[in-house]
Amino acid sequence: GESVGLHLPTLSVQEGDNSIINCAYSNSASDYFIWYKQESGKGPQFIIDIRSNMDKRQGQRVTVLLNKTVKHLSLQIAATQPGDSAVYFCAESLNTGFQKLVFGTGTRLLVSP
Amino acid sequence: DAGITQSPRHKVTETGTPVTLRCHQTENHRYMYWYRQDPGHGLRLIHYSYGVKDTDKGEVSDGYSVSRSKTEDFLLTLESATSSQTSVYFCAISGTADSGNTIYFGEGSWLTVV
Repeated sequence: GESVGLHLPTLSVQEGDNSIINCAYSNSASDYFIWYKQESGKGPQFIIDIRSNMDKRQGQRVTVLLNKTVKHLSLQIAATQPGDSAVYFCAESLNTGFQKLVFGTGTRLLVSP
Repeated sequence: DAGITQSPRHKVTETGTPVTLRCHQTENHRYMYWYRQDPGHGLRLIHYSYGVKDTDKGEVSDGYSVSRSKTEDFLLTLESATSSQTSVYFCAISGTADSGNTIYFGEGSWLTVV
């Protein structure tokens, strides 16, 4: 399938480096945030989430940081691998009992061997 | 694998024809969603469902209708397809005891309207 987002901001890193992908969200009332990874021709894949009562959450090789003061979210990927190359989206939601996500436009991560 | 199947995966259709995309889930998720993805716009919510026969509009619902007659199936219909509806359509699900409110996406349906 054709890749979407051909003119996305791009972050290029070397294999083994740490990557930081940033996202500014729009609604100060949002209290749930998710990062998704999307490879070409595939659907978004859940990576990690965080609620607004936290400022940091760690997963396997990934960390999400939330700064509510400036409405900023970041995804840190440790020891980036070529398989991490993809488009990364942040999404925000109000906690209404089910998730009505609002997505950012995405950042393309390119990892060179 | 969140047990989501979208069909068809690829379709080319002519302007003015009706098109139905199907989303099928196998894990009894309560909530189902249809998103479209376009360059420069990211993912935008078209319609969602919070139960059988319970649906509501999302951000970009004009020109689309949905139906959910049973838990496992959520259909998206374009009554009369237009070129502006050329897009990639993603079904998503959420809402089980195991997965909580995390939204999981299907693999997408590529629709081209000529």
